[in-house]
Amino acid sequence: DVKVTQSSRYLVKRTGEKVFLECVQDMDHENMFWYRQDPGLGLRLIYFSYDVKMKEKGDIPEGYSVSREKKERFSLILESASTNQTSMYLCASRLSGTGGFGGNTIYFGEGSWLTVV
Amino acid sequence: AQKITQTQPGMFVQEKEAVTLDCTYDTSDPSYGLFWYKQPSSGEMIFLIYQGSYDQQNATEGRYSLNFQKARKSANLVISASQLGDSAMYFCAMREVRGMRFGAGTRLTVKP
Repeated sequence: DVKVTQSSRYLVKRTGEKVFLECVQDMDHENMFWYRQDPGLGLRLIYFSYDVKMKEKGDIPEGYSVSREKKERFSLILESASTNQTSMYLCASRLSGTGGFGGNTIYFGEGSWLTVV
Repeated sequence: AQKITQTQPGMFVQEKEAVTLDCTYDTSDPSYGLFWYKQPSSGEMIFLIYQGSYDQQNATEGRYSLNFQKARKSANLVISASQLGDSAMYFCAMREVRGMRFGAGTRLTVKP
């Protein structure tokens, strides 16, 4: 089974702190993603990475950065946390591919609940 | 740009009855994939069912089936014989190059 592991399930941070959310996948997937989930808005893409050291902005990248130094690890960084970044963060991974079930399916971690006070 | 619309913020269903969760989509791509995920209160996203745009038959997975109407651009999830454990958020999604485009979700509550 594919395993996507997020290092922290629950975090409470202070405004202005630098926050790292870590994600590791064990299936050699090329693509990795960070989503943010808020009530009524569904999941919104923050950043994604096609492969090692390759990253692209998603729909809501402001206030975030990412790092992918190794294929299995994708980190989300909040440079200076703010209260409006209180949310649930979901990491995901996927085989690269252009179609079919195998090339489409995304596998998610369990989520990280971040509260910024 | 692709778009996924779920118009039901919340739904209630009696245990053992069937329920349909609505999803409409918009895309200009001739080839696409549609997914449904379940998210219990614990937070993990559980894959339920997949439908490819060229699949001839509607997808089924156990008690889950997908009512795919291509001309109407709808991909409704049908859950038969609802169970208390089906209470959760349900998300419809479409594959994109940049991962997956999600709807806002529907919270399903199953009543005993």
